Amino acid sequence: DGGITQSPKYLFRKEGQNVTLSCEQNLNHDAMYWYRQDPGQGLRLIYYSQIVNDFQKGDIAEGYSVSREKKESFPLTVTSAQKNPTAFYLCASSRRPLNTEAFFGQGTRLTVV
Amino acid sequence: GENVEQHPSTLSVQEGDSAVIKCTYSDSASNYFPWYKQELGKGPQLIIDIRSNVGEKKDQRIAVTLNKTAKHFSLHITETQPEDSAVYFCAASMGNRDDKIIFGKGTRLHILP
Repeated sequence: DGGITQSPKYLFRKEGQNVTLSCEQNLNHDAMYWYRQDPGQGLRLIYYSQIVNDFQKGDIAEGYSVSREKKESFPLTVTSAQKNPTAFYLCASSRRPLNTEAFFGQGTRLTVV
Repeated sequence: GENVEQHPSTLSVQEGDSAVIKCTYSDSASNYFPWYKQELGKGPQLIIDIRSNVGEKKDQRIAVTLNKTAKHFSLHITETQPEDSAVYFCAASMGNRDDKIIFGKGTRLHILP
């Protein structure tokens, strides 16, 4: 089945540690996105990539990093520089041009203690 | 850049009644307006979308209207059912080189028995 997979579903980390969230898609989509979701804040864009080996900062990129070495994969690293990393993280992908449906993964809930 | 405002943030309607959620966007170049439904603990899923060359679109109990002049679009759900309880997001995108999807902050819809 085609789809977009995020792993793990739940992740716990100690403060000060970097952590990498996985996002894989087998939909042959060029564009991929990372969003952060906090209560009452909606979906805020962290990073997005329109093509392999290229990505752009979104609205809240500070403290995060990404890579896009393969079309299928767009991992997100939450670094120790992110001041408030506890949140629900959503990855999405879509065809280009962008004005088509975006498919979301099931999300990763990150808790930093 | 594009900004999407969504209202209300919370909406409670009696089962069987209609629900309306409204969004406004700022960039007249936006041409694609999807609506997503997010159930608890899951990623958002597309429920309906509309493009700028269309004023209204309907799919069973769900309809979306677009007013390009006023730069606003609305989601209408008729004959609401318990399974309609969820968070709904509107979004806008331009489909151009600087592709990204901008979401509203979401509306939590409660269907009351």
